Amino acid sequence: SAVISQKPSRDICQRGTSLTIQCQVDSQVTMMFWYRQQPGQSLTLIATANQGSEATYESGFVIDKFPISRPNLTFSTLTVSNMSPEDSSIYLCSVEGGSGSPHYEQYFGPGTRLTVT
Amino acid sequence: AQSVAQPEDQVNVAEGNPLTVKCTYSVSGNPYLFWYVQYPNRGLQFLLKYITGDNLVKGSYGFEAEFNKSQTSFHLKKPSALVSDSALYFCAVRDLSLTYKYIFGTGTRLKVLA
Repeated sequence: SAVISQKPSRDICQRGTSLTIQCQVDSQVTMMFWYRQQPGQSLTLIATANQGSEATYESGFVIDKFPISRPNLTFSTLTVSNMSPEDSSIYLCSVEGGSGSPHYEQYFGPGTRLTVT
Repeated sequence: AQSVAQPEDQVNVAEGNPLTVKCTYSVSGNPYLFWYVQYPNRGLQFLLKYITGDNLVKGSYGFEAEFNKSQTSFHLKKPSALVSDSALYFCAVRDLSLTYKYIFGTGTRLKVLA
């Protein structure tokens, strides 16, 4: 398994500002995923981040709004730019398996609860 | 296209009774199936998976799930529910022949009553 930490755990931000969320993994992984989840609801994939290449965004999400960095195999950041109240959500990062043989399951960070006022 | 359905928004069960949380799926290739649990204010935790082999898979916390290809189902089960099992459960499917991406169900809230 993989152990994932996220910073910050929560934040309250004013509209129009930006917040960068950090995701740190305890092992080297190829793919990292960023999800958004409304409390008590399902997960929506924002983008997939591979080290050394541009992130791949899902329909409805664009790089200008959610820029992602992936500087190495254990770290990624997601920025929520020019925030509006509609961006209030829980943001989760995840990785597939851990080091060694393929696992296929994903492991999730504890999430960042964002409230935009 | 891949899809996964969790037909019940909430399941209530008495402590000590068996529990079942339902999941059905649709994929064009071979399905990789997963169950995750989310406790309040926590991230998702992996419970179990079906990749290949025995249709009955066992996972964490005494949970198990049965892969049924003819019914395209992957129901989560536990013989004896605990109050501490109360949480939000997500089924997920991945069709490895098409994509690395997961499709998550809408979630089922399990409430175990003392």
